[in-house]
Amino acid sequence: AQSVTQLDSHVSVSEGTPVLLRCNYSSSYSPSLFWYVQHPNKGLQLLLKYTSAATLVKGINGFEAEFKKSETSFHLTKPSAHMSDAAEYFCVEAGIASKLTFGTGTRLQVTL
Amino acid sequence: DTEVTQTPKHLVMGMTNKKSLKCEQHMGHRAMYWYKQKAKKPPELMFVYSYEKLSINESVPSRFSPECPNSSLLNLHLHALQPEDSALYLCASSQEFSVPYGYTFGSGTRLTVV
Repeated sequence: AQSVTQLDSHVSVSEGTPVLLRCNYSSSYSPSLFWYVQHPNKGLQLLLKYTSAATLVKGINGFEAEFKKSETSFHLTKPSAHMSDAAEYFCVEAGIASKLTFGTGTRLQVTL
Repeated sequence: DTEVTQTPKHLVMGMTNKKSLKCEQHMGHRAMYWYKQKAKKPPELMFVYSYEKLSINESVPSRFSPECPNSSLLNLHLHALQPEDSALYLCASSQEFSVPYGYTFGSGTRLTVV
């Protein structure tokens, strides 16, 4: 069974500094990977997706992620954090029949 | 229209009540989903509808009853719920069931069972 591991349950950064949220997947085949963001008491918003095209994927709000098959990783980055980025972030893999496997989430805290 | 709309946003119900959650999308998506999310946890899949037919039921208790009246609407009928059913219920849709292009999620219904 596929699994998605988010290596940090909580990340705290200062506003204006880079953000790195780490994600590892387990699939041996070419996966479809996504990052979703969830603000408090809100639904999930798609940040970006990887579906076997370019390995560096650009998303909304300045986020990007790099697919590294050799490391089975799909880490999310942003050069400069903003207060509005504070939220829960989920790394997700779409498996057979589009069934989603969620990571356990990373809470991003942004401080002044 | 690129949204999934869920109503109501908040719902408080007693254990003997019957209520329904509603989900609507007008993106022409043919797959629709119900997820349950407990606090500080990722969403858990409950049901999948593909072309208005129930494709997956993740062993959800019968007190939850899904319905897909047409390609744009998805309902979740609730009856005799337990306090532990209190959660955020998320609806999502995707172009096709078997194509992993990503889902569009609604904002959810925050359900409290008292």
